[in-house]
Amino acid sequence: NAGVTQTPKFQVLKTGQSMTLQCAQDMNHEYMSWYRQDPGMGLRLIHYSVGAGITDQGEVPNGYNVSRSTTEDFPLRLLSAAPSQTSVYFCASSYFGQQETQYFGPGTRLLVL
Amino acid sequence: AQSVTQLDSQVPVFEEAPVELRCNYSSSVSVYLFWYVQYPNQGLQLLLKYLSGSTLVKGINGFEAEFNKSQTSFHLRKPSVHISDTAEYFCAVSDPHAGGTSYGKLTFGQGTILTVHP
Repeated sequence: NAGVTQTPKFQVLKTGQSMTLQCAQDMNHEYMSWYRQDPGMGLRLIHYSVGAGITDQGEVPNGYNVSRSTTEDFPLRLLSAAPSQTSVYFCASSYFGQQETQYFGPGTRLLVL
Repeated sequence: AQSVTQLDSQVPVFEEAPVELRCNYSSSVSVYLFWYVQYPNQGLQLLLKYLSGSTLVKGINGFEAEFNKSQTSFHLRKPSVHISDTAEYFCAVSDPHAGGTSYGKLTFGQGTILTVHP
């Protein structure tokens, strides 16, 4: 199993540009989530999904959109990037009802100029 | 709302010395507790977790943690560290009964950077 994969590893954007961060898992996990990591703040939940077609907001959802058309993929969209979105983004997944065992991807480092 | 406080932002230690990374949480309900490790330029890896049962939890790489409900703490310990333990460590908590926007949510502490010197 590849586990949780994320692309790209690094990205530089200009303010106002849009992009999609990709996340995929091959473990047939129902639950997937996106976190952002900022220095001194730990990781904060952006959005999550409990299955295909079902998504919900976390604690910092503003400026981000998600969709879940398949079990495997959970892309995160920035419609109009802002410097405040400079961060490291992690995707995680787990079996539904077993959120105590979440697997994290390697992260995407995003710089917004 | 849950919160997690890691009491030390940086912990320097010499190789083969013992180390303790401190974590306190605030929650009025039952919780699951976790320690994750992040090596430089990598994702998070689960070190250990407390769900229920024995309050002393053993994890990978020789780490262990003790759940203390009365002190709402979950400190991480290792009796003898190696250079390879240099990393950032995150304590996290989740509510096993949470719903809505908190479903499955892990609340993380700010992180503790452990630096092991030769």
